[in-house]
Amino acid sequence: GAGVSQSPRYKVAKRGQDVALRCDPISGHVSLFWYQQALGQGPEFLTYFQNEAQLDKSGLPSDRFFAERPEGSVSTLKIQRTQQEDSAVYLCASSLVSDSGNTIYFGEGSWLTVV
Amino acid sequence: GQQVMQIPQYQHVQEGEDFTTYCNSSTTLSNIQWYKQRPGGHPVFLIQLVKSGEVKKQKRLTFQFGEAKKNSSLHITATQTTDVGTYFCAGNNAGNMLTFGGGTRLMVKP
Repeated sequence: GAGVSQSPRYKVAKRGQDVALRCDPISGHVSLFWYQQALGQGPEFLTYFQNEAQLDKSGLPSDRFFAERPEGSVSTLKIQRTQQEDSAVYLCASSLVSDSGNTIYFGEGSWLTVV
Repeated sequence: GQQVMQIPQYQHVQEGEDFTTYCNSSTTLSNIQWYKQRPGGHPVFLIQLVKSGEVKKQKRLTFQFGEAKKNSSLHITATQTTDVGTYFCAGNNAGNMLTFGGGTRLMVKP
């Protein structure tokens, strides 16, 4: 596609509910990143994939957060038993190659509100 | 871990005035990137600086990377209302994980 596509754009979840957020990166992009952006803050790194391999998940805040990219393309970020502090925009980004410093393209984000 | 600080947090300017945001990293960076995020939008890549002391210009925007590769600045000359948004720096220290600053929110009064 023309850009990084994320769905849903908006999600309201009841506390304790599980959610799944989808990311379609730019076709052919090797690297895929998930970031969490709270209101008024900068994006914070969650996890990084190179093709289907999850090379870094050091930013995942708890074991309730799980990400996968089984075929090296589409990725899903799953949050189990959502809590109010999980409310944030979840940004997916991709880049063509895995070298550091390559242009990273962000999707429009999935806005999660936990009530 | 690596920390990236940005100042100021907010800046109000009159249209036509200049604007500068500053970025400081707790560690030496392999490169630094700058992004702009419009209200309700997503971060959009502006530029990447790699070399010590590097200066790059994009029309009215001037980006600098410090000699020690730990700080950077973005200067906008003669701001316009279209410059409104939050400007983020993001440091990269030879990995693939960008560490973002808290951003500087620019507001321009016409």
